[in-house]
Amino acid sequence: GAVVSQHPSRVICKSGTSVKIECRSLDFQATTMFWYRQFPKQSLMLMATSNEGSKATYEQGVEKDKFLINHASLTLSTLTVTSAHPEDSSFYICSARPAGYTFGSGTRLTVV
Amino acid sequence: AQSVTQPDIHITVSEGASLELRCNYSYGATPYLFWYVQSPGQGLQLLLKYFSGDTLVQGIKGFEAEFKRSQSSFNLRKPSVHWSDAAEYFCAVGAGSGNTPLVFGKGTRLSVIA
Repeated sequence: GAVVSQHPSRVICKSGTSVKIECRSLDFQATTMFWYRQFPKQSLMLMATSNEGSKATYEQGVEKDKFLINHASLTLSTLTVTSAHPEDSSFYICSARPAGYTFGSGTRLTVV
Repeated sequence: AQSVTQPDIHITVSEGASLELRCNYSYGATPYLFWYVQSPGQGLQLLLKYFSGDTLVQGIKGFEAEFKRSQSSFNLRKPSVHWSDAAEYFCAVGAGSGNTPLVFGKGTRLSVIA
């Protein structure tokens, strides 16, 4: 079946640094990638939608200059958290289409 | 806009008892419905999904869900709960195709007692 590989699974970074999260579709072409964020004890909230070769569309309240999304190929989408701060600590997970809604395994980001 | 309501924030059941987790959705077209489970510190695991066909859907780990269009519901059931079922359960609604994202409910936390 369709698989999305997400890396890293866990990352700890210092406040003010940037972190890149990758999602790769291994056996299909991901024309659309959704990026979600989940704060502790909360549900998954959509951050942005990216289509291959186009600029991402961000949900209201999500800073596009802070959360940079690149979807330059049909098999790779990246989310870069720039100048990370402790309040960005969260669980980030991607979901790819058109293979149904195939989720990556998620990235737990801790900013110290 | 699509939305999902999970009315129960937390449910506690005894091991061996039956379980039903409620989910109501709002969606303008034919919904694509999912149930996911998430253990603490872990990612999402798909339990089952429904798009068309038989309205009673069987999933993994002995779970099933029934789609009731008239009630806009997709409740999750299990006849006998095991202690390992303790986790967070999310209902979600999406579309069969296109760029519609999956929208999640707020989740129901299941606790299992001996």
